[in-house]
Amino acid sequence: SQKIEQNSEALNIQEGKTATLTCNYTNYSPAYLQWYRQDPGRGPVFLLLIRENEKEKRKERLKVTFDTTLKQSLFHITASQPADSATYLCALPDKDNYGQNFVFGPGTRLSVLP
Amino acid sequence: DAGVTQSPTHLIKTRGQQVTLRCSPISGHKSVSWYQQVLGQGPQFIFQYYEKEERGRGNFPDRFSARQFPNYSSELNVNALLLGDSALYLCASSPRTGPFSNQPQHFGDGTRLSIL
Repeated sequence: SQKIEQNSEALNIQEGKTATLTCNYTNYSPAYLQWYRQDPGRGPVFLLLIRENEKEKRKERLKVTFDTTLKQSLFHITASQPADSATYLCALPDKDNYGQNFVFGPGTRLSVLP
Repeated sequence: DAGVTQSPTHLIKTRGQQVTLRCSPISGHKSVSWYQQVLGQGPQFIFQYYEKEERGRGNFPDRFSARQFPNYSSELNVNALLLGDSALYLCASSPRTGPFSNQPQHFGDGTRLSIL
């Protein structure tokens, strides 16, 4: 089954800088990949989806890339703000279950310092 | 529109007991999935239901079971609770399902289950 690694457990950056989070998967390349944000005590909230034939996707200050050769997705937050502080999760459809469920990475806890 | 609602928000049980967690999906969503999230980890898939039928099952023991009702709400049951079952249980809904249907999951805020 799919295994996902996210670059680091925690990432601290200064306000205004660009945060870059990494998601690496080990097995098959999925048809698409999703990124979620999770605040303490809350459920994950969907942010972006990128398909295997898309190299890049943008939404406001967010940008996601998807490299099936490297088996990697990068998630960027530009002009970061303290309100961006949260845990960010990447998720892939599980091929073993015919894509009926998602496999989540462990998440990266981002702290944006004022 | 109301989002995914879960009840109860918190629950404390002792080892060996049984628990039932409830989920109401977003109106119009027919697919409901359950995930377990242990502190510091990502959500782990337990079940998915669509049109009242089980469509996917994760690597969890038979102590875990679920069902979906005609109104698409769902219940997750866990029997013979163990200390290791302490976690945040998340419910997620989406409009439909199907092989690799590329839809976002809409999550509730979960039920925090603590086993003493």
